[in-house]
Amino acid sequence: KQEVTQIPAALSVPEGENLVLNCSFTDSAIYNLQWFRQDPGKGLTSLLLIQSSQREQTSGRLNASLDKSSGRSTLYIAASQPGDSATYLCAVRGSNYKLTFGKGTLLTVNP
Amino acid sequence: DTEVTQTPKHLVMGMTNKKSLKCEQHMGHRAMYWYKQKAKKPPELMFVYSYEKLSINESVPSRFSPECPNSSLLNLHLHALQPEDSALYLCASSQTRAGLNTGELFFGEGSRLTVL
Repeated sequence: KQEVTQIPAALSVPEGENLVLNCSFTDSAIYNLQWFRQDPGKGLTSLLLIQSSQREQTSGRLNASLDKSSGRSTLYIAASQPGDSATYLCAVRGSNYKLTFGKGTLLTVNP
Repeated sequence: DTEVTQTPKHLVMGMTNKKSLKCEQHMGHRAMYWYKQKAKKPPELMFVYSYEKLSINESVPSRFSPECPNSSLLNLHLHALQPEDSALYLCASSQTRAGLNTGELFFGEGSRLTVL
């Protein structure tokens, strides 16, 4: 059974700092990995999708990497802003086509 | 347009009521999903429809009844719910590739359900 772990569970940083969120998964037989952000009481917003054949994806200040063999992904946020404050969720699409979510990292960026 | 629209945004119902949640997307996606999310927890998969047919039911109680009238619409019919069913219900959709549900998932804003 696929298990997805996100570290840290919570992170508080000053504005402008570069930061890394970590995601690990136990079964490397995946189709893709997706990073989401969720604001309190809202739906999930897709940030980046990395296919299993890819090593990284970039969108603006966000860069996500994937090391399938070691079961790891990182989400790098450059020059963080208070508007980046949210919960970040990592989800892995496994061989059963289901998405398995991590428990998320609660990010607070302080002005 | 990468929008999934859910209605209503908020719903309060008694345990004997019958109500429905609605979801719509116009991205041409042929896979649609219902998730349930409790506070400070990740979303939990409930149902998956693929090409308008129910493909996954995660052992959800029969008081939740999904329906996919066409490729753009997904409903969740609610009947005789319990207070512990109070949660955020999220709809999502994704492309299918070679008939498989492996595409990027797009979520709606959710319907906040409170069962009294």
